[in-house]
Amino acid sequence: QKEVEQNSGPLSVPEGAIASLNCTYSDRVSQSFFWYRQYSGKSPELIMSIYSNGDKEDGRFTAQLNKASQYVSLLIRDSQPSDSATYLCAVSNDYKLSFGAGTTVTVRA
Amino acid sequence: DTGVSQDPRHKITKRGQNVTFRCDPISEHNRLYWYRQTLGQGPEFLTYFQNEAQLEKSRLLSDRFSAERPKGSFSTLEIQRTEQGDSAMYLCASSPLTSGGNTQYFGPGTRLTVL
Repeated sequence: QKEVEQNSGPLSVPEGAIASLNCTYSDRVSQSFFWYRQYSGKSPELIMSIYSNGDKEDGRFTAQLNKASQYVSLLIRDSQPSDSATYLCAVSNDYKLSFGAGTTVTVRA
Repeated sequence: DTGVSQDPRHKITKRGQNVTFRCDPISEHNRLYWYRQTLGQGPEFLTYFQNEAQLEKSRLLSDRFSAERPKGSFSTLEIQRTEQGDSAMYLCASSPLTSGGNTQYFGPGTRLTVL
């Protein structure tokens, strides 16, 4: 079992719609959870961090964490063509990050 | 811009050659990390420094790989006797020691191609 698993995608959504990304993790002691966006050929860029159960909103992005279910999600509202990228879920219990393989999102104009 | 910087951005080398990459973290970030990413996968942890001390090395880091962070500032990652399987993007990240939740910021990466 992989430490961090994401829905494989690719995910295609029309412009203006909501994109929903899911991530599960296996290590119950994980404390910190992150979403990174990665454009093709570029390095990961931090979008959101979340540490406690519930929702956290930042602009068009909402991260949701449920530690009991070992589940993290990211919602992208009012999707724009510039949101087309691979989204990486990362989990940490101390220093190193464990990443999922990523979900590629394409926003159709 | 005082983000994480890496040099070179691209490196093409022949199998068997040695290569060295450099990472300059964000100023005053105590923690520095190296990751490796291959196509279609997320980054994989290689090693971690807190100041000048290398505190963990992944089992992915074979004896051909060595990393240093002299004086707790920039870091270098050296790969000796490169193999085609070493072809990947090598990413450096840094975080402040006091960062709640260990938020890491990545550099632009060094893309290595071994022919």
